[in-house]
Amino acid sequence: QLQLQESGSGLVKPSETLSLTCAVSGGPISGDGYSWTWIRQSSGKGLEWIGYIHYSGSTFYNPSLKSRVAISIDRSKNQFSLKVTSVTAADTAVYYCAREVWYHGLDVWGQGTTVTVSS
Amino acid sequence: IVLTQSPGTLSLSPGDRATLSCRASESVSPHLAWFQQKPGRAPRLLIYGASSRATGIPDRFIASGSGTDFTLTISRLEPDDFAVYFCQQYGQQSGPSTGWTFGQGTRVE
Repeated sequence: QLQLQESGSGLVKPSETLSLTCAVSGGPISGDGYSWTWIRQSSGKGLEWIGYIHYSGSTFYNPSLKSRVAISIDRSKNQFSLKVTSVTAADTAVYYCAREVWYHGLDVWGQGTTVTVSS
Repeated sequence: IVLTQSPGTLSLSPGDRATLSCRASESVSPHLAWFQQKPGRAPRLLIYGASSRATGIPDRFIASGSGTDFTLTISRLEPDDFAVYFCQQYGQQSGPSTGWTFGQGTRVE
């Protein structure tokens, strides 16, 4: 059974970089039709799609975050990562990683990790 | 693409029928999904492709719609169904360059 687990910095200072990793277990990260996704949820903005990295390495980002976001993949470790630069309080949220399967949508999610931006 | 869900809250009892709506600002058919979320938990995929149930989802969850108007019906509410429901578009037609989006949610209480 595929499982995803987020890890990373829970407290980030304003203007610094938020870094999270999603470990994939129970299945390969390299698979045709899979895209590895980051989503966040805050009380103010609800669920927000951040972007994804396709198994081939292609990335697609939310236009509103594109200038500050980078998603990468490490096939040797079966994990993918998120970096958000120049964070502000508005980046405070629960961050989820998830797998998107073409046409089938976001079928497997991590449990989520809370990130707070504060000095 | 903006997704608007209605109503914001549904107050019902176990055994009742729940009807949730999701309207898109442009066509997303058939790439519309529904999720259930409980407090402190990640969303759970219920429906993909506008009307297909995800693995393990009971048949009391019925979804339909096309174009810009979609509906999720829970035929007979069970105690475990009281939660927040979100719709999400992942419309290949518009492509990910415009971003996938979620509705603001309907709380079934």
